Amino acid sequence: NAGVTQTPKFRVLKTGQSMTLLCAQDMNHEYMYWYRQDPGMGLRLIHYSVGEGTTAKGEVPDGYNVSRLKKQNFLLGLESAAPSQTSVYFCATSSGSTDTQYFGPGTRLTVL
Amino acid sequence: GDSVTQMEGPVTLSEEAFLTINCTYTATGYPSLFWYVQYPGEGLQLLLKATKADDKGSNKGFEATYRKETTSFHLEKGSVQVSDSAVYFCALPQVDTGRRALTFGSGTRLQVQP
Repeated sequence: NAGVTQTPKFRVLKTGQSMTLLCAQDMNHEYMYWYRQDPGMGLRLIHYSVGEGTTAKGEVPDGYNVSRLKKQNFLLGLESAAPSQTSVYFCATSSGSTDTQYFGPGTRLTVL
Repeated sequence: GDSVTQMEGPVTLSEEAFLTINCTYTATGYPSLFWYVQYPGEGLQLLLKATKADDKGSNKGFEATYRKETTSFHLEKGSVQVSDSAVYFCALPQVDTGRRALTFGSGTRLQVQP
């Protein structure tokens, strides 16, 4: 089992460009999350999903959109990237029956 | 709202030293508490958890006791190794928001020297 995977691992964008980050899981978990990690700030929740076809805003949703068309995939989109979105992005999943979350390896994004 | 406060790092220790990383929390009720570890260049991994007050979570020689009286969940290890060098995060569920996500502390970097 691969667990939680993220694509791509690294990406450099110019201001104004768009991109999509993919999170895939083979754990059959209902809940999926996108966090961003910035130095000294821990992880902050961007968006999350409690099941296929559902999405909801987290603490820092501005500038991001998400979609969960299939249970195993959770996409994070940046329509017009800004330097403030330079960060490491982590996807996580949980079954919903416990609060334990399982994380992907992360995507390091730099916006110039 | 619910929150987690961790001691600032970095914490630098010699191999075989005793480790304590402090974590205190503010929460509604008595949620589960977690410690996650992030090794260089990797994602977060669950290190240990405690699901109710007075529980002790343990894994890989690390321990943490859920103390409701002091609202603390300090991480301890009796003898650290160079391979324990990583960033450690304390976390709790966002019960107050109903999101089923986790609120993380800012992380504490541990550096263990040979």
